[in-house]
Amino acid sequence: EVQLLESGGGLVQPWGSLRLSCVASEFTFSTYAMSWVRQAPGKGLEWVSLISARGTSTYYADSVKGRFTISRDNSKNTVYLQMNSLRAEDTAVYYCAKSSSGYYDFDAFDVWGQGTMVTVS
Amino acid sequence: DIQMTQSPSSLSASVGDRVTITCRASQSISSYLNWYQQKPGKAPKLLIYAASNLQSGVPSRFSGSGSGTDFTLTISSLPPEDFATYYCQQSYSSPLTFGGGTKVEIK
Repeated sequence: EVQLLESGGGLVQPWGSLRLSCVASEFTFSTYAMSWVRQAPGKGLEWVSLISARGTSTYYADSVKGRFTISRDNSKNTVYLQMNSLRAEDTAVYYCAKSSSGYYDFDAFDVWGQGTMVTVS
Repeated sequence: DIQMTQSPSSLSASVGDRVTITCRASQSISSYLNWYQQKPGKAPKLLIYAASNLQSGVPSRFSGSGSGTDFTLTISSLPPEDFATYYCQQSYSSPLTFGGGTKVEIK
């Protein structure tokens, strides 16, 4: 079964750092762009960042630009989100998500992880 | 940035009702529009991609239409398991953006 499994969430103080990981299984990871999407408690979905299949291109929401860094290790089927200078408003469930097309970076998200909670307090 | 506006933000419906949710983009996004269903405590699930294409395994009671700036998600006959929140998302350009969501509740 195609699967994404996030880890690394937890409680962190303001201005602290955290690194999230997402391990993929049962698909050719190196073929697809990957994203992080977050959801603050009781709120809607917010796209955070995307990395292309080979890792050569990265994109960020304005709200995290300069503070968060997305990366991937295709040999480990893993995508990361390094989060620095964390703020209370970064508190959310963070999901990793797979782009549905192997051709385009920007596409629908057809596979999602279960999410990992990040609390900044 | 492209803003995505969903309406209504919530609706009450009965089992068996036909439900229509609208999503409007602040500029033309061609057919780069996707729809998701999310239930409480769960990850979103892709329903429709590229405006009108049914994702594999999704029941045919779901359909999508539209292009340019105006899009619609329709559930032809609402079963109990479809009471959830629905989101549209544009994949035309970065930053990728979601609509605010439509919560479908039981009347």
